[in-house]
Formats: sequence, structure tokens, C-alpha cells
Amino acid sequence: DAGVIQSPRHEVTEMGQEVTLRCKPISGHDYLFWYRQTMMRGLELLIYFNNNVPIDDSGMPEDRFSAKMPNASFSTLKIQPSEPRDSAVYFCASSYRVGVINGYTFGSGTRLTVV
Amino acid sequence: AQSVTQLDSHVSVSEGTPVLLRCNYSSSYSPSLFWYVQHPNKGLQLLLKYTSAATLVKGINGFEAEFKKSETSFHLTKPSAHMSDAAEYFCVVSEAGSARQLTFGSGTQLTVLP
Repeated sequence: DAGVIQSPRHEVTEMGQEVTLRCKPISGHDYLFWYRQTMMRGLELLIYFNNNVPIDDSGMPEDRFSAKMPNASFSTLKIQPSEPRDSAVYFCASSYRVGVINGYTFGSGTRLTVV
Repeated sequence: AQSVTQLDSHVSVSEGTPVLLRCNYSSSYSPSLFWYVQHPNKGLQLLLKYTSAATLVKGINGFEAEFKKSETSFHLTKPSAHMSDAAEYFCVVSEAGSARQLTFGSGTQLTVLP
């Protein structure tokens, strides 16, 4: 298994531009999570899906952020318009139906820089 | 509600000496506990997990952790540090019935000196 795959690995964009981050979870995992990591706030859960349905988006910072999961093998996190304070590493993670006893498998992250 | 506190933001050890990374948790229910490691510019990798079985948990790369309910602790140890252990370590708690969310500690940066 190739693990959780995120793209791109690095993204540099100008303020005001739209940014789309992509994630392919491990096949068979029915939960998918988006996290953001910054020096100031550590790891924050933004949103998670179960069977492609968003369950809890209370961590999404504001309306500029949106996430979709059109099928079991793909999810996107979109920021429009982007701002410098969105600069962070964004991680995607997935887990099995049995959930927390197996922990989560994380992708390598997307390092976003908004200038 | 669940929470986790990593007591040290930075730990420095010499190569070949023991490692101790401290973690205390708070949980209303029977928790699952994890340690993750993050090497520079890498994703998070699961080191070990506790899920109400044996209280002493062995993980990868020689790490182990002991669940102590009376002390609400889950400290990570390794008998002998290696240079490749230099990384950031996260203690994580998840409660049964918490909708499968993980709560991360703030992380401990481990430096291994030659």
C-alpha cells in the first residue's frame, strides 16, 4: 500500500489566489481527516469525513476554507481567497472502520506558503 | 472532554543515553493513547499505541511506553538514544465515543547530541 498520498508537497501562492490541496486515503479506510500544523497552534483538526460525508467541520477557520470528498479515494481542501496567515503544513489522514484502536495513517503533508 | 499535556517542549540527550518524553492525559472515558513521531519535513508516523490491553506497550525503533492510570501518564522511553531519533514527538489521546477524533499534545522536540 502506498499510504496516504497528498499533493502537492509544496505550494507557494500569492495572496488572493485559490489553492487546492489533494488527498488520496488508504483504500478501505472509511474515515478521512484534514489537519493543519503551525508553530503557534500545533496540530488542529479542520474537518473529517465518514464514508465520504462531512461529519464535523467545526475546525474549519472560516468560509474561505472548504473541503469535499466526492468519492472514497479522493478529497480536496480548498482555500479561496488565500491569505498569508493560511501558511502552514496541511496533513490528510485516514483510518479503518474500527477506528481509533489502529490510530490514523498520515500523509506527508502539503507545505503551503502564501506570500 | 479529553486533553493531553506534554511536559517538556524540548529534550536533549547524548547518544547512547536513555530517553524519557513525558505525557499526561485527561479523559472522561477509557482512552486510547498513541505516540507519533515527525521527522523534519516528513509526515507523522505511529510509534506505538495503547488500547486497554497490556499497560507496557512496545513500539518501533526500540521505543516503549507505560500506561499508568493512577498517574494519568503515558511516558515514552528508550534505553539508548540514536542520532536518528532526533525528531518531534507527539502524545495523542482519543476517547471511546469521541467520534474518533484525536487530541494532540503540543509536541516535544528531541535533540540527540553526539
